[in-house]
This record gives sequence, C-alpha cells and structure tokens, in this order.
Amino acid sequence: DAGVTQSPTHLIKTRGQQVTLRCSPKSGHDTVSWYQQALGQGPQFIFQYYEEEERQRGNFPDRFSGHQFPNYSSELNVNALLLGDSALYLCASSGMGDRVYEQYFGPGTRLTVT
Amino acid sequence: AQSVTQPDIHITVSEGASLELRCNYSYGATPYLFWYVQSPGQGLQLLLKYFSGDTLVQGIKGFEAEFKRSQSSFNLRKPSVHWSDAAEYFCAVYASGTYKYIFGTGTRLKVLA
Repeated sequence: DAGVTQSPTHLIKTRGQQVTLRCSPKSGHDTVSWYQQALGQGPQFIFQYYEEEERQRGNFPDRFSGHQFPNYSSELNVNALLLGDSALYLCASSGMGDRVYEQYFGPGTRLTVT
Repeated sequence: AQSVTQPDIHITVSEGASLELRCNYSYGATPYLFWYVQSPGQGLQLLLKYFSGDTLVQGIKGFEAEFKRSQSSFNLRKPSVHWSDAAEYFCAVYASGTYKYIFGTGTRLKVLA
C-alpha cells in the first residue's frame, strides 16, 4: 500500500517565478492538506482540499493556491516566488468521514528560491 | 487560540539515558495529540497519537507519551535513548473544526555516544 507521495523531491526557482508541487494521497484517502515548514520551524498549515474544493485555509497570501483532482491528488501552486518561500512543503492526506483528524505525511518537496 | 509549546529547543542526552520531551497545548475541547519525528531533510514520521481513553499511549521505537489534562501536557518519554534517536521531534494538536494540525516549534535531540 503506497503512502503519500510528492514530486518533485527538490527544486530551485528564481524570485518572481511560479512553481507547482504535486501530491498523491494514501490509498483510500480523499482529503489533502498542505503545510509549509521553514528552516528551524514547525510546519504551518497552508490549506486543505476536500471534494475538489478548498475547505480551510491558513494564514497564507493568495499567491498560494491549490487544486484537487477527481482522483484526490492535489497540486500546490505558488506565484511570484519570494526568497521567504524557500521551505520544505509537506502534503498530508486523511481518510473519509471522522478520520479526517488522522493525517499521514509525505516526504516533502524542498523548494529553494534564489 | 489553539497553540502548542515545546519549551526545549535543544536537548542533549547520553546514549542509554532516559528522555523526556515536553509539550504543552492550549485547546478548549478534548484534543487529538500527536508526536512526530523528523530526521534531517526528511518528512514527518508519526511516533504516537492520543485520541481518547488510556492517558498513557505507546508508540513506535519504544516511545510513550502521557496525556495530562490538568496540566495541558503531552510529554514524550523513552527509557533508554539510542544514537539513532537523534532527530527533531514535533508535538502537534489537531484543531477540530479547522481541519488543521497545529505544530510546536520542535525539539532537536542530540545523543552523545
């Protein structure tokens, strides 16, 4: 049973560029959450997708957007990249119904903005 | 507002010694609590979780944690630390109704041979 997968593993972008990160949830899960983990910090919640809609959003600007596909996979898009967007981006998936509180994390995508 | 505090940024212990990592939370209702471990450059691995019931929960790798409602704490313990336990440890609470985890800032564990 495959767990949560993310791609790419690493990428380097330049300020002002746009980036797309991808996540495939654990089999049987229908909810995907995204977190940003800056160096030396705990993960911060960006948003959560359920039924192809953004269900909840953290304190992140509109430059951060996402999408969920019918197969429950998800993308995180960041526009107009800033140096401060350099971080590890973690995707987490959770199951249906009341198991939404049990989130499983992927290995993350390390984004470096130069 | 919900929050998680991990008072110790760094902890150093000798291999074979016991370990306790502190976690305090602020949350109005009964919380769902978690401990994760993260090795350098890696994602988060779940060590253990508390939802309800017995306040002493067992996890993987010999870790356990005790939920104390009166102290709003969920401290992680291990009786004998191994060198491979060196990593960063995060405590988290699931904020019901917001669908998100709130993480502490982490405790970096160093193990001396």
